[in-house]
Amino acid sequence: AQTVTQSQPEMSVQEAETVTLSCTYDTSESDYYLFWYKQPPSRQMILVIRQEAYKQQNATENRFSVNFQKAAKSFSLKISDSQLGDAAMYFCAYRSAYIKGNTPLVFGKGTRLSVIA
Amino acid sequence: EAQVTQNPRYLITVTGKKLTVTCSQNMNHEYMSWYRQDPGLGLRQIYYSMNVEVTDKGDVPEGYKVSRKEKRNFPLILESPSPNQTSLYFCASSYLPGLDTQYFGPGTRLTVL
Repeated sequence: AQTVTQSQPEMSVQEAETVTLSCTYDTSESDYYLFWYKQPPSRQMILVIRQEAYKQQNATENRFSVNFQKAAKSFSLKISDSQLGDAAMYFCAYRSAYIKGNTPLVFGKGTRLSVIA
Repeated sequence: EAQVTQNPRYLITVTGKKLTVTCSQNMNHEYMSWYRQDPGLGLRQIYYSMNVEVTDKGDVPEGYKVSRKEKRNFPLILESPSPNQTSLYFCASSYLPGLDTQYFGPGTRLTVL
């Protein structure tokens, strides 16, 4: 079974600075997806960024980028120019690319990010 | 607007009183899933559905039922709720199991007294 580990329960960053959230995962599969979800106080699960394992190029979405190291099974999220609205719980998640059966999202336990003005 | 909706958003109930949390998506997705979120545990899958009339258990199915009579709807049923089912519940959907992103509903905060 796959597992996802987020080793930083809490992080903080100064406004306008850069912060990196860590995530490692364990799998024996070669084809899968990795995600970062943001959960603000409203509790909504918001997709931040997604990475396909077969792509070597790291995904980017505006101020958000990832460092995907497939051999090391590492998937960190970098937030540049942090804003107050980035304060939230961030979840790393794994999903198998197998299309003929159940492929739930496997979540880490989350990292709570605080942004200091 | 493409979305997943859940109702109710908040519910306080008592032990043993049957309840249903509805979930509906307007994206013609085949795969739907229920998760519960508990502090320190992240999100865990309760049940999933591959298509109409095709449902199966996830990691934590005890005390829950589901049905999938229509493609767009996937209700979660608690026949006899207990306090350990107090949690935040999310419905999610995607076109196919392993091909793309799951889209989440807004969540339902359930408290069982």
